[in-house]
Amino acid sequence: DIQMTQSPPSLSASLGDKVTITCQASQNINKYIAWYQQKPGKAPRLLIRYTSTLESGTPSRFSGSGSGRDYSFSISNVESEDIASYYCLQYVNLPWTFGGGTKLELK
Amino acid sequence: VQLVESGGGLVQPGKSLKLSCSASGFTFSSYGMHWIRQAPGKGLDWVAYISSSSGTVYADAVKGRFTISRDNAKNTLYLQLNSLKSEDTAIYYCARGRTGYFDYWGQGVMVTVSS
Repeated sequence: DIQMTQSPPSLSASLGDKVTITCQASQNINKYIAWYQQKPGKAPRLLIRYTSTLESGTPSRFSGSGSGRDYSFSISNVESEDIASYYCLQYVNLPWTFGGGTKLELK
Repeated sequence: VQLVESGGGLVQPGKSLKLSCSASGFTFSSYGMHWIRQAPGKGLDWVAYISSSSGTVYADAVKGRFTISRDNAKNTLYLQLNSLKSEDTAIYYCARGRTGYFDYWGQGVMVTVSS
């Protein structure tokens, strides 16, 4: 199984900050990574697929990059509505595996 | 696209439960579907997948105990949970599959396994 190591587990930011979350896969995942946002008590929402393709409705302040084993997800100009947990997902190989999650809080 | 799960509840260890996911707003029969779970305060774990042609794949943790199925005439996805353990306690989400990733998710249904 491919392990996805996501860091940091938690992150504190001020409004307007830029934050970055990373996911390292245990093997090359050929850019088949997606990023999800989950607000408390809600289902996850797909933000980005295939490393950097924004889903319809995803604000342009969200971005993704990476290749091989190493990937990152960034939010520029953090807004209050971005306070949530974020998860990466690899979908190159079965079984599908998620990173452990990053909880973004306001400083 | 709308996905609505039902069937959760409190069940004793070793017992069974069947979850349903009612789909609308898209051609259900054309899509693979997934179940993903989230233990209280924990991260996301993929559980099972069924393709549009009803091929299935399971996570090792549930293989032999859980069965995913679908009824395209009813636009409904199912997950039969047998021999339940306390570690199966979680919110169970159904999600639509899309060339590997999951695009739309239901609101989730809680399953609590406890005596």
